[in-house]
Amino acid sequence: DAGVIQSPRHEVTEMGQEVTLRCKPISGHNSLFWYRQTMMRGLELLIYFNNNVPIDDSGMPEDRFSAKMPNASFSTLKIQPSEPRDSAVYFCASSFLVPGPHGYTFGSGTRLTVV
Amino acid sequence: DQQVKQNSPSLSVQEGRISILNCDYTNSMFDYFLWYKKYPAEGPTFLISISSIKDKNEDGRFTVFLNKSAKHLSLHIVPSQPGDSAVYFCAAASHAGGTSYGKLTFGQGTILTVHP
Repeated sequence: DAGVIQSPRHEVTEMGQEVTLRCKPISGHNSLFWYRQTMMRGLELLIYFNNNVPIDDSGMPEDRFSAKMPNASFSTLKIQPSEPRDSAVYFCASSFLVPGPHGYTFGSGTRLTVV
Repeated sequence: DQQVKQNSPSLSVQEGRISILNCDYTNSMFDYFLWYKKYPAEGPTFLISISSIKDKNEDGRFTVFLNKSAKHLSLHIVPSQPGDSAVYFCAAASHAGGTSYGKLTFGQGTILTVHP
């Protein structure tokens, strides 16, 4: 199994541009999570899906952020327009059942820099 | 509202000694706790977990202790090795219903450095 796959690994964009982060969860996992890591706030949950349905998006910072999961094998996190304060590492994670003895499996993250 | 707190941003330990990482939580609904380890440029990886029905869980060099009355857990690494140098995150979850079900709430992490 290739694990949770995120793309791109690094993204540098100018303020005001649209950014789309992508995630492929582990096959068979039915829950998908988007986290953001910053020095100030650590790892914060943005949104999570169960069986492709958004369950809790209370962590999404503002309307500029949106997430979709059109099918069980793909999810996107979009920021439009991007701002410098969105610079962070964004992680996607998946799990089967919640949260099992082995917790979530995380991807390697996308490091976003907004200049 | 930091429901899970790791008050020590960093910890430095000599190889062979014990490393103790601490974590406090405020939400009494949390009933499952996990520790993750993260190396630079990688995602966090699961290390060890404990259910609230237990007060100790051991896996090799790693032991997690849970004190429910104090809402405190700790991770002990014995003996510490240079390869253990990483960021350690404490996380908590609730199996109660509603939208909180299944969410992992993380602490801010503690950077562990093990010196040879």
